[in-house]
Amino acid sequence: NAGVTQTPKFRVLKTGQSMTLLCAQDMNHEYMYWYRQDPGMGLRLIHYSVGEGTTAKGEVPDGYNVSRLKKQNFLLGLESAAPSQTSVYFCASSYIIGTGKETQYFGPGTRLLVL
Amino acid sequence: LAKTTQPISMDSYEGQEVNITCSHNNIATNDYITWYQQFPSQGPRFIIQGYKTKVTNEVASLFIPADRKSSTLSLPRVSLSDTAVYYCLVGDRNTGFQKLVFGTGTRLLVSP
Repeated sequence: NAGVTQTPKFRVLKTGQSMTLLCAQDMNHEYMYWYRQDPGMGLRLIHYSVGEGTTAKGEVPDGYNVSRLKKQNFLLGLESAAPSQTSVYFCASSYIIGTGKETQYFGPGTRLLVL
Repeated sequence: LAKTTQPISMDSYEGQEVNITCSHNNIATNDYITWYQQFPSQGPRFIIQGYKTKVTNEVASLFIPADRKSSTLSLPRVSLSDTAVYYCLVGDRNTGFQKLVFGTGTRLLVSP
């Protein structure tokens, strides 16, 4: 049981390039999330998914797109990278207990540097 | 939106009990209170969650007063490995995931 894994661990992009970050979970969780964390800051929610084939915007969605074609995978895309997207990206998945209690399980993060 | 306020940083010594208080004055009836721990270069890790009164697990205790406008994470006998950032979250899945907001957290430094 690997939990939540993220690919790649580190990437350097030039402004305007595109890339896709992959998140995979093997816990059969319905809910998946993408966050970004800037230095000295807390995590901010980019997009999330409540199930296969569904996605929704979070707090800071601009410049990102996501897809959830399979329940275990959640992809985050940057179509035209900008220096402001330099950050650490965390993926998480969760399940709901009973009447709404939720525990999110996080991946190890992807460090992205946009030059 | 139930915003949380925590101290920016705290210092402690090995073996001491550490209490981190989180303020959430606008907490809603259906909101749960959850604490996460984050080590450098790692994703956050769930510590404890509660709705009211006291919750205890093998890692920590969570104290929530009757008005639920604050909560206190208690770490008994901390060690050097407890040095991390601790986040308090308040949110209700049923009213939208956007309300699961991570603040800047409390940076705990445990010294020998």
